[in-house]
Amino acid sequence: DTEVTQTPKHLVMGMTNKKSLKCEQHMGHRAMYWYKQKAKKPPELMFVYSYEKLSINESVPSRFSPECPNSSLLNLHLHALQPEDSALYLCASSRRLLRGPYNEQFFGPGTRLTVL
Amino acid sequence: QQQVKQSPQSLIVQKGGISIINCAYENTAFDYFPWYQQFPGKGPALLIAIRPDVSEKKEGRFTISFNKSAKQFSLHIMDSQPGDSATYFCAASANTGNQFYFGTGTSLTVIP
Repeated sequence: DTEVTQTPKHLVMGMTNKKSLKCEQHMGHRAMYWYKQKAKKPPELMFVYSYEKLSINESVPSRFSPECPNSSLLNLHLHALQPEDSALYLCASSRRLLRGPYNEQFFGPGTRLTVL
Repeated sequence: QQQVKQSPQSLIVQKGGISIINCAYENTAFDYFPWYQQFPGKGPALLIAIRPDVSEKKEGRFTISFNKSAKQFSLHIMDSQPGDSATYFCAASANTGNQFYFGTGTSLTVIP
């Protein structure tokens, strides 16, 4: 099973709303990621959690707030977003193996976010 | 600074032809090189990956060629099909960290 699930699939929100994106994986991966992707661009790293601790924050504005309640779940809390934040938000998880591929990363289907 | 450089930006191939996408990197600490396929509105899907201890890896119609000395790797899609039309991203990561560095992507169109 190499599945990362994300909810919701689509989200439309106003600039004053508060919403959350959710991500879940049951592969036992201990690294989880949030990426932002604009059309025709590569995924842009936002946050990395390693063993439920925030290990990388790519200077993301504070209106994006990540949370990792446990090793299977990752949330992204959104508040006071701007129209330019409209994008596909991708969650991913990765595993590190002593044998075989290192750092194999799997993506979820994404949440299409539109900020009005 | 772009850690992984990818070319071409777009590619049009006839059905049955060979599609070739190239990537180059500078960081010698990279030791894992995956390729992702992404359809519009979907998340990237891991297609095939290679480690630097081999020069080639083949899975079905997809082959990665790896040149460690030149710090380059490429994806070859044999017998390209219209269903292969998608955006392809190369990436690289180092075992010492969790971060993945992506190329800028190649939009592949396979025409019947």
